[in-house]
Amino acid sequence: NAGVMQNPRHLVRRRGQEARLRCSPMKGHSHVYWYRQLPEEGLKFMVYLQKENIIDESGMPKERFSAEFPKEGPSILRIQQVVRGDSAAYFCASSPPSVSGPTDTQYFGPGTRLTVL
Amino acid sequence: GENVEQHPSTLSVQEGDSAVIKCTYSDSASNYFPWYKQELGKRPQLIIDIRSNVGEKKDQRIAVTLNKTAKHFSLHITETQPEDSAVYFCDLPPPARQLTFGSGTQLTVLP
Repeated sequence: NAGVMQNPRHLVRRRGQEARLRCSPMKGHSHVYWYRQLPEEGLKFMVYLQKENIIDESGMPKERFSAEFPKEGPSILRIQQVVRGDSAAYFCASSPPSVSGPTDTQYFGPGTRLTVL
Repeated sequence: GENVEQHPSTLSVQEGDSAVIKCTYSDSASNYFPWYKQELGKRPQLIIDIRSNVGEKKDQRIAVTLNKTAKHFSLHITETQPEDSAVYFCDLPPPARQLTFGSGTQLTVLP
């Protein structure tokens, strides 16, 4: 069972371009989470998704950022018109389905390191 | 939203000594309390977790204790080794309104 996959591992963009980060959860996992981590800082929650639904996006900036988890394919975190402050490591994590919600272990992907020039 | 405070933010210990990291939360009906370890440049990984029906769980040199009355849970590492040096995060999953990780503790084990 492959772990959580993220690609690309490294992404370089110039200011104003778009960044698309992909996350494939572990097989059988239906919950996906995205986090941002600045150098020497903790994990900041961005968004929690289930298939075709955004459950909690309270940590997502109101502008330029969006996320989706379609019925088929990976979850996508999209950043439009990137700025230097968007440079960070973006981790996604997945957890298995649970009736009561995401109360189980989160399995993290290797992260995508975004650099905005 | 839910708040979780993690202390200390940095911790240096001599090899062989013990390390304790504590997380305090404000109000939650959560019943699951995990700890993650993140080595430099790598992804966070679960090292131990505890459910609210027990007060302590141990796995070799690592243990977690939970005090639901006082609303805190702690990570204990005994006989520390240089490879324990990393950042440790506590987590407080829903039903808190927002998934909340602690701010992290940078543990350095000095040889």
